[in-house]
Amino acid sequence: SSELTQDPAVSVALGQTVRITCQGDSLRSYYASWYQQKPGQAPVLVIYSKTNRPSGIPDRFSGSGSGNTASLTITGAQAEDEADYYCHSRDNSANHSVFGTGTKVTVL
Amino acid sequence: QVQLVQSGAEVKRPGSSVKVSCRASGGTFSDYAISWVRQAPGRGLEWMGGIIPIFRTPNYAQKFQGRVTITTDESSSTAYMELRSLRSEDTAVYYCAREILVAGPPTTWLDPWGQGTLVTVSA
Repeated sequence: SSELTQDPAVSVALGQTVRITCQGDSLRSYYASWYQQKPGQAPVLVIYSKTNRPSGIPDRFSGSGSGNTASLTITGAQAEDEADYYCHSRDNSANHSVFGTGTKVTVL
Repeated sequence: QVQLVQSGAEVKRPGSSVKVSCRASGGTFSDYAISWVRQAPGRGLEWMGGIIPIFRTPNYAQKFQGRVTITTDESSSTAYMELRSLRSEDTAVYYCAREILVAGPPTTWLDPWGQGTLVTVSA
């Protein structure tokens, strides 16, 4: 199966740490990337190739993972981090990209 | 720096077709893949298909097979996504994005993204 599963929603207190997970068989073959999407805006890449941060992304965002699981961690969450987050990978057998179901992060 | 600019919002009748464009600037258009992703209101991201201009061979998500066509025009650095037999469930924001595919270790990511095109299907 090429599905990527995420928890629908998580909340985090301002300044605390939150981890978002993504599970799926495709993660055994392809590293994950992660996207932040705020209401009315296009998604923005925040992590690529499992652990790498594009320029301009704060270092409080980090990625990790092994086996069929990938994780995005926000260390010291800020109010502006409140958004939807999606993981992304590729189904090697079908040669298709696949997205996770998405996680809504609320910063309290 | 690559930038992707999409065509404007569309309102379509059920059963008709829509063609959304995505014009790239910066970089070498034929060097990278373009993927199309849609997002229905209140829903998640859904990959529709993609194309590598230099190969001109698209591949599509099974859900859209037979109803979607993705093409490119290298002379204008523009990618197109046409969706046919529209129904109300196709109402969504449609995004194009550059897809980077790396062989070792295998990884893929989408960056940058176009601004999105709202397609509304309504009688």
